[in-house]
Amino acid sequence: DAKTTQPNSMESNEEEPVHLPCNHSTISGTDYIHWYRQLPSQGPEYVIHGLTSNVNNRMASLAIAEDRKSSTLILHRATLRDAAVYYCILRDDGRDDKIIFGKGTRLHILP
Amino acid sequence: KAGVTQTPRYLIKTRGQQVTLSCSPISGHRSVSWYQQTPGQGLQFLFEYFSETQRNKGNFPGRFSGRQFSNSRSEMNVSTLELGDSALYLCASSELYRASEQYFGPGTRLTVT
Repeated sequence: DAKTTQPNSMESNEEEPVHLPCNHSTISGTDYIHWYRQLPSQGPEYVIHGLTSNVNNRMASLAIAEDRKSSTLILHRATLRDAAVYYCILRDDGRDDKIIFGKGTRLHILP
Repeated sequence: KAGVTQTPRYLIKTRGQQVTLSCSPISGHRSVSWYQQTPGQGLQFLFEYFSETQRNKGNFPGRFSGRQFSNSRSEMNVSTLELGDSALYLCASSELYRASEQYFGPGTRLTVT
């Protein structure tokens, strides 16, 4: 399974944008980049996923480098509710039937 | 739609006993996956069921087993409990096998004493 590298923790101020980086230098051509987050005392929650092009949804944006060896999850305006552990995951959506979670990034939001 | 529900939410068992955990997926979802979360190992995949068949299994001993019923509800069973089985057990459902989005339940917190 291809691996991802994320910072252990990050801090951001409330109402400011947050850029969460993820490195995946061994990504294969068929791997999708998925992001999940886990709020305190809850199960993980799907955030966004993409293959090559940048993606936007109501929760966040995903910016994927041209060589696909890195990506960035962007929260446009962080709220206290966004404090969570964010997981960047590679998954071959055509073959993989499981999600391999890493350690993730613990995001702290400062009021 | 109601989300994924798991019962019970909390459970305390004694070493050597067995336990059964239940998961009801989102209505219409046919795939159910199970994960174990511990502070040391993080989130680890246990197994996935689709249409009552186990499709994939993680690297866990045979004491961990599961099944899925015709209504897509799933149960997992752990026999001969060990202290190291204390964890949060999470169930996730998705519409299809290998779907991009999985929806997780709140988990069952199992404590083995």
